[in-house]
Amino acid sequence: AQKVTQAQTEISVVEKEDVTLDCVYETRDTTYYLFWYKQPPSGELVFLIRRNSFDEQNEISGRYSWNFQKSTSSFNFTITASQVVDSAVYFCALSKTSYDKVIFGPGTSLSVIP
Amino acid sequence: DAGITQSPRHKVTETGTPVTLRCHQTENHRYMYWYRQDPGHGLRLIHYSYGVKDTDKGEVSDGYSVSRSKTEDFLLTLESATSSQTSVYFCAIKNSQETQYFGPGTRLLVL
Repeated sequence: AQKVTQAQTEISVVEKEDVTLDCVYETRDTTYYLFWYKQPPSGELVFLIRRNSFDEQNEISGRYSWNFQKSTSSFNFTITASQVVDSAVYFCALSKTSYDKVIFGPGTSLSVIP
Repeated sequence: DAGITQSPRHKVTETGTPVTLRCHQTENHRYMYWYRQDPGHGLRLIHYSYGVKDTDKGEVSDGYSVSRSKTEDFLLTLESATSSQTSVYFCAIKNSQETQYFGPGTRLLVL
């Protein structure tokens, strides 16, 4: 069975702090995709990143970075020097190749306090 | 922006009335999805479609039906709305890179 766990329900940080959002996944497949989405208070769901199971390179995009480790089945998301605009719910998700469905984690609500 | 629109964006209805939500996409994607989002439950899949007239159930399909007569439109129908169907409904497409993109959402209140 496939499952995505985001153990942190809510996180609160002060602006400019770094914060890491944890994501642990379960799958028996050797080929799969992992995703992160952001849902700001306005409500839309914004795609942030896709990573396939063959690519364990960490990725950095501005203040965002992602650490994918197959050995621990984790795909963690770090925001460096957090800003108030980063306040949102962040979802981690999993899909196997050519599978119809995407499995979403329960989400982590991040509050960045000025 | 994957060219996804949802209508209506907000709706208030009464228990027992039928409701249809529309999802429209402009980029000819094969896969389309309907989710509902509720506090404490995250995103839950209601139904999805893998082509015209090809649909399947998700994890919370009871009380919902869907139709897809054209590639660009995926309709979600609540045959007889109940208060438990008060939710935010999101439509999504999946592109060729296996990535889902979401519409803006529809807020439905069933009184």
